[in-house]
Amino acid sequence: SQQGEEDPQALSIQEGENATMNCSYKTSINNLQWYRQNSGRGLVHLILIRSNEREKHSGRLRVTLDTSKKSSSLLITASRAADTASYFCATRGANSKLTFGKGITLSVRP
Amino acid sequence: EAGVAQSPRYKIIEKRQSVAFWCNPISGHATLYWYQQILGQGPKLLIQFQNNGVVDDSQLPKDRFSAERLKGVDSTLKIQPAKLEDSAVYLCASTKVVGPEAFFGQGTRLTVV
Repeated sequence: SQQGEEDPQALSIQEGENATMNCSYKTSINNLQWYRQNSGRGLVHLILIRSNEREKHSGRLRVTLDTSKKSSSLLITASRAADTASYFCATRGANSKLTFGKGITLSVRP
Repeated sequence: EAGVAQSPRYKIIEKRQSVAFWCNPISGHATLYWYQQILGQGPKLLIQFQNNGVVDDSQLPKDRFSAERLKGVDSTLKIQPAKLEDSAVYLCASTKVVGPEAFFGQGTRLTVV
């Protein structure tokens, strides 16, 4: 079963704009991670936030976590055409089980 | 550091045939995952190994799917017999024991006709 539920399902923005993606989950977690998948490729890890953290930054990425609402958001600032991809949130729970959501398709128009 | 290796990259089989996928995780990674990703969906966990023991196989269709991890390193995933709905990309991933991110292979795209 899917643990995470991303929102929106699809997002289209202009290059240079910011992209915000949301993820909600159901059960308690040890950490939450975001991955990117380019068409026909494997998933690439972007950023991880632990359950006792509220915000994390990495380059143009900013992730927040609200464990009381069981939700997370990923912000990509100053988007580029190369950011076009599918984005997935994944939760790590007990026994290191890593469960993915359905994904968000991001299109960045040049 | 070498990444997660998977083979074959592509496979086309007829329904009711059998197929096997191979995965070589990153050296030293104790945890290995097999995921099934149907087109347009997120990866669905099929089985998780810790060294050569199974941690979670609750979503593995055990009547047709089997997996093993020999000596806690390489792993194979087998489907026998295949159904049309098994058409998907099969992804292998590995991590260190706990906490950090998963590293994924390129996947095997299976088409059942």
